[in-house]
Amino acid sequence: QQQVKQSPQSLIVQKGGISIINCAYENTAFDYFPWYQQFPGKGPALLIAIRPDVSEKKEGRFTISFNKSAKQFSLHIMDSQPGDSATYFCAASAYGQNFVFGPGTRLSVLP
Amino acid sequence: EADIYQTPRYLVIGTGKKITLECSQTMGHDKMYWYQQDPGMELHLIHYSYGVNSTEKGDLSSESTVSRIRTEHFPLTLESARPSHTSQYLCASTNGGRRIEQFFGPGTRLTVL
Repeated sequence: QQQVKQSPQSLIVQKGGISIINCAYENTAFDYFPWYQQFPGKGPALLIAIRPDVSEKKEGRFTISFNKSAKQFSLHIMDSQPGDSATYFCAASAYGQNFVFGPGTRLSVLP
Repeated sequence: EADIYQTPRYLVIGTGKKITLECSQTMGHDKMYWYQQDPGMELHLIHYSYGVNSTEKGDLSSESTVSRIRTEHFPLTLESARPSHTSQYLCASTNGGRRIEQFFGPGTRLTVL
């Protein structure tokens, strides 16, 4: 019930391409869905987040698409750059309680 | 850059030693967390605290203990380190409000020989 599933486990994209990472959840009490970006040797950092009252949120090259009925949300990175190479974690939280993180996606953007 | 600090950044110790990993934040956050993470892999919640004198175990069973005597300080202690404790330990704190953000420290990379 608490699990957040994430796919793919790893992703290789050419520079300028679109990177898409998908997450799915079961707990309908979740009301906050952030994405975190982690570079090697660093702690994760918040990238973008969405609440279920909207279906899409865009910040620069990063967009979250949210499908409440399917209980799925995805991260789209437009015009992917080598500097975007990192591990991405989706997460979910209910009523400000502990975050449940997905297992992570390792993104490599080739120059 | 988040105002959350962890020391040491790297630690290599022998089996059986007692260690304390330090975590401090200057943001006044009530909620703090410890995660265990093998590099680039899944985050496992091992302890959390919702305020002073409040500590709870997380989803992953851990032989470590924590304390929360002051809001800004959330140390993690291993009484007797073993090679199975080799991992990265991440400390985090969370703000309130609509845009909830969990701020992570840089982590402590622990190696137990």
